[in-house]
Amino acid sequence: DAKTTQPPSMDCAEGRAANLPCNHSTISGNEYVYWYRQIHSQGPQYIIHGLKNNETNEMASLIITEDRKSSTLILPHATLRDTAVYYCIVRDYNYGQNFVFGPGTRLSVLP
Amino acid sequence: DTAVSQTPKYLVTQMGNDKSIKCEQNLGHDTMYWYKQDSKKFLKIMFSYNNKELIINETVPNRFSPKSPDKAHLNLHINSLELGDSAVYFCASSKKGGGRSRNEQFFGPGTRLTVL
Repeated sequence: DAKTTQPPSMDCAEGRAANLPCNHSTISGNEYVYWYRQIHSQGPQYIIHGLKNNETNEMASLIITEDRKSSTLILPHATLRDTAVYYCIVRDYNYGQNFVFGPGTRLSVLP
Repeated sequence: DTAVSQTPKYLVTQMGNDKSIKCEQNLGHDTMYWYKQDSKKFLKIMFSYNNKELIINETVPNRFSPKSPDKAHLNLHINSLELGDSAVYFCASSKKGGGRSRNEQFFGPGTRLTVL
C-alpha cells in the first residue's frame, strides 16, 4: 500500500504556479520523497526527489516540511503540457525497495 | 535515442493464448522492472530483476514470468491469458545504487494488452 495521501484532482491556470500537496505522516528517517508524473498514455516520468532539504531542478521545486510529514511539489509556471497525474512516493534509500504508486493527483492546467 | 523501449505497443489476443512483451534498455542499468496498470489506473509492481535476484510481487499469478537473455533485456511472458490480464504493462529500469543515490526508474512507453 502507498504510504502517501494526495488530493485526487486539482486545477491550475496556465502560467500560474501549481502547488501539489502530499501527506506522508508515517515516513521514516531512511525514506526519501519522490515525485513522478504520468502524462496520458505514457510511462511515468521522474520529476524530483528529496530527503529533508528543499530541492529544485529544471522541472520543479520540492518543499519538505521540517517534520517531514508532508511535502509540496511546485511547478512554477504551469503549461498545458504539465497536465498529468502526479505521484508522490516515499521510498527507503536502501536499494531494493520498490516504488509503490498510489492513485496520485490528476492536475489539469487550464488555458 | 530511446532509453527504455517496449514492443509491441498494442497487443490484442484471445483468451487462453500465450504471448510475450519485449523490453530493452540502453542506459546500462542493471535492474529492470515490470509494472501493470489496470483500468482503474493503479500502477503496481510485478517484478524487479537484476542479474542476481528476481523479486516477485506475491500477487502476480505464476502464468506471468520474466525472462532476461542479457542485462539490457527483460521480457514478459504470459501463459493462458485471461480477460483480467487486459491492462497496460510498463517496463522500467534503474541503476543499482545503495545509500543516497538517486535510484530513479526510467519507464518505457507501455504495452496495451487486450484479451478478448
